[in-house]
Amino acid sequence: GAVVSQHPSWVICKSGTSVKIECRSLDFQATTMFWYRQFPKQSLMLMATSNEGSKATYEQGVEKDKFLINHASLTLSTLTVTSAHPEDSSFYICSAVSFTEARQETQYFGPGTRLLVL
Amino acid sequence: GESVGLHLPTLSVQEGDNSIINCAYSNSASDYFIWYKQESGKGPQFIIDIRSNMDKRQGQRVTVLLNKTVKHLSLQIAATQPGDSAVYFCAENTGTASKLTFGTGTRLQVTL
Repeated sequence: GAVVSQHPSWVICKSGTSVKIECRSLDFQATTMFWYRQFPKQSLMLMATSNEGSKATYEQGVEKDKFLINHASLTLSTLTVTSAHPEDSSFYICSAVSFTEARQETQYFGPGTRLLVL
Repeated sequence: GESVGLHLPTLSVQEGDNSIINCAYSNSASDYFIWYKQESGKGPQFIIDIRSNMDKRQGQRVTVLLNKTVKHLSLQIAATQPGDSAVYFCAENTGTASKLTFGTGTRLQVTL
């Protein structure tokens, strides 16, 4: 249980275009999902908290107009990188909140999406 | 701006030996801790968790120890296997809607 998928797994785009990444909880419903980005040899940096049916909450320094988040259903959140530039190239990972066997609320992660902006 | 890339600390262990990966956390108010394993090019995978009212929890081949006095967390892997090679992250829950703060990570290399 608690399987999270992401699509696409990798994407290459031209500078100035927009890219949409999907995050789905496959066998559970998630009112809360999170979006992270990760640079090589670094830890995960939280970008935003995605809440079903309401606006996302962005971390300090993350441009909400550049990274659009939509959480329209209990199993799907999308991250759109608008007008992407080479510095946006990174590994984007989502997570969804579910419960462990001990009924502890925790995050389960998707496989990540590698974005390369040329 | 973006931070400069860091060298991940690396732990090299021979196959069959036990591994101990350490993590120091900063927030004394954190009440829930998780260890994740991340293989190259993949998302983090949940390994084991522990609440702050416990000091030890065991899973299959893994044990997590929590020392709240010195704000230290460790992950012990018994009989380490080549498939255990990955980067391991500790994460702490800061008490806000399951929000996690991740540590810097440790790369585990298993040698044959």
